[in-house]
Amino acid sequence: ETGVTQSPTHLIKTRGQQVTLRCSSQSGHNTVSWYQQALGQGPQFIFQYYREEENGRGNFPPRFSGLQFPNYSSELNVNALELDDSALYLCASREGAYNSPLHFGNGTRLTVT
Amino acid sequence: KNEVEQSPQNLTAQEGEFITINCSYSVGISALHWLQQHPGGGIVSLFMLSSGKKKHGRLIATINIQEKHSSLHITASHPRDSAVYICAVGPNYGGSQGNLIFGKGTKLSVKP
Repeated sequence: ETGVTQSPTHLIKTRGQQVTLRCSSQSGHNTVSWYQQALGQGPQFIFQYYREEENGRGNFPPRFSGLQFPNYSSELNVNALELDDSALYLCASREGAYNSPLHFGNGTRLTVT
Repeated sequence: KNEVEQSPQNLTAQEGEFITINCSYSVGISALHWLQQHPGGGIVSLFMLSSGKKKHGRLIATINIQEKHSSLHITASHPRDSAVYICAVGPNYGGSQGNLIFGKGTKLSVKP
């Protein structure tokens, strides 16, 4: 078991730019979900991928998009960055589509200036 | 009103004390998660439960589905338990795959 790893750990971007965050899930975990956590708040669900297809989405605009790859890695892409996108972005993987324990990464801290 | 409410928001305890953190929710759920978040952001899943009670070491989690309430208990608290404890629920309405609704967390500080 190698755990869930996210990269980079910290990132600074300028408003209007695009960013790609990466997550490497545990082997055998075919579901990955992404969350945004603003400072002092609980995480908010962005979307979930199961077997490389999005199968659940929270209240985030289309400029938040993702990909999941066969090797259990995934990406979160955010276009046209806004200042309010500054947050900790967490990914979590699990076996199956839902209702199994989640394994979280340590997150990527994104700052938009 | 948030769909998941935690109390207290902040908690300071002396080493050895028994600690209870509460979580109330207003939606139908398929499961409830208790998570631990340390400074720096990493989250560890402590429990996932849909009924009854689970125990792991000094941690105990209970859930009452009828009352839509869960508690996390820490016995013989230790300074290393200092962290933010987050309650999250998986709603059971359609199209909700993967969607977890999180509480804002309870910041626990255990003093030696």
